[in-house]
Amino acid sequence: SQQGEEDPQALSIQEGENATMNCSYKTSINNLQWYRQNSGRGLVHLILIRSNEREKHSGRLRVTLDTSKKSSSLLITASRAADTASYFCATDSNTGNQFYFGTGTSLTVIP
Amino acid sequence: DAGITQSPRHKVTETGTPVTLRCHQTENHRYMYWYRQDPGHGLRLIHYSYGVKDTDKGEVSDGYSVSRSKTEDFLLTLESATSSQTSVYFCAISDRGEAFFGQGTRLTVV
Repeated sequence: SQQGEEDPQALSIQEGENATMNCSYKTSINNLQWYRQNSGRGLVHLILIRSNEREKHSGRLRVTLDTSKKSSSLLITASRAADTASYFCATDSNTGNQFYFGTGTSLTVIP
Repeated sequence: DAGITQSPRHKVTETGTPVTLRCHQTENHRYMYWYRQDPGHGLRLIHYSYGVKDTDKGEVSDGYSVSRSKTEDFLLTLESATSSQTSVYFCAISDRGEAFFGQGTRLTVV
């Protein structure tokens, strides 16, 4: 399976702290994406990073990609209670047509 | 939400009965996907479509079939539901690049 794996499985931090979660995957990719899922809801796309990119920013989000280690990290700076959610990484197939998700990191931000 | 509607949102059905879930999009995206989400497994791809009448299997396709007769509709059918198919089902659409997800269908097979 090409499924990615997020680490840690669960993370609990105080509001204002930074949250870092990691994703490892198994095969070559074209893109890697991060999604957020609030309890009982669908997934919301956060950011896409291409295989030829090493770092990308979007607001309070910073994503890095190391294709040599087949890993990515998502950093959320100055976390807020509203960031409480599960976060998933998704990698595409070698054809780019399919997306494979990890099991997610559950983030709890304590006010 | 990016113009994706799943129906029904909730369903309880009995073992052995057929069930069809519908995904409707208004974005004219080429690719459509069905995933199931279970605790400890994340999201797993069931089937996907890359055009009208063009579909292919994903990781966990056994017991499921799909059809896409129109660009906007992608149907997932459980021919004979089993308790192991109790799950939350998500439809997604993509035009290469990011995927947009529906709100999910919670299916319980009793």
